[in-house]
Amino acid sequence: GAGVSQSPRYKVAKRGQDVALRCDPISGHVSLFWYQQALGQGPEFLTYFQNEAQLDKSGLPSDRFFAERPEGSVSTLKIQRTQQEDSAVYLCASGSLGGGAFFGQGTRLTVV
Amino acid sequence: AQTVTQSQPEMSVQEAETVTLSCTYDTSENNYYLFWYKQPPSRQMILVIRQEAYKQQNATENRFSVNFQKAAKSFSLKISDSQLGDTAMYFCAFMKPSGSTSYGKLTFGQGTILTVHP
Repeated sequence: GAGVSQSPRYKVAKRGQDVALRCDPISGHVSLFWYQQALGQGPEFLTYFQNEAQLDKSGLPSDRFFAERPEGSVSTLKIQRTQQEDSAVYLCASGSLGGGAFFGQGTRLTVV
Repeated sequence: AQTVTQSQPEMSVQEAETVTLSCTYDTSENNYYLFWYKQPPSRQMILVIRQEAYKQQNATENRFSVNFQKAAKSFSLKISDSQLGDTAMYFCAFMKPSGSTSYGKLTFGQGTILTVHP
């Protein structure tokens, strides 16, 4: 497709369950970012890939969060043993360094 | 660390009128990029306009323009001839220049909810 695609759009997880969120970036985009957006807030940076290399993971809130991009294209954000505070929208973006990032529609995660 | 501040939680405007959204930021960098993003209820973050700090000329994209005041670290967005479809949350964002370790990473403000009334 022409844009950044994320799946699933919505995910409800029971507390303690593991989840995996997928991001398909725009074809050819070297950079890929994950952000976490709490309700009514601006997105907060989680992690950054350049091709398959994870260059910055300073925003990951705990060791329960793990991201990978093994072939430099599709990326997966995994959250282990989900907690209620993990409930948020998770946004993926790819870019065009200096040109701004292009975002997907996000995955809304609700932990119950 | 960079910070981005949007001091207007909510704004409203009548259709066809002009509205200005405020943004200030703090950085020790000399070169950087600034962006305005729009997020409608669909959650899709849409790039509205970008500004490179080394360019003195204010960026313009159709009905959208910015007032970039580098010394004051201010980056406001002006929307002219407002349309109902402009109703959304607007985020101001900062990005460090190339060569920095976190190049590409965006730091967002808290957002401003804009409502355009018919």
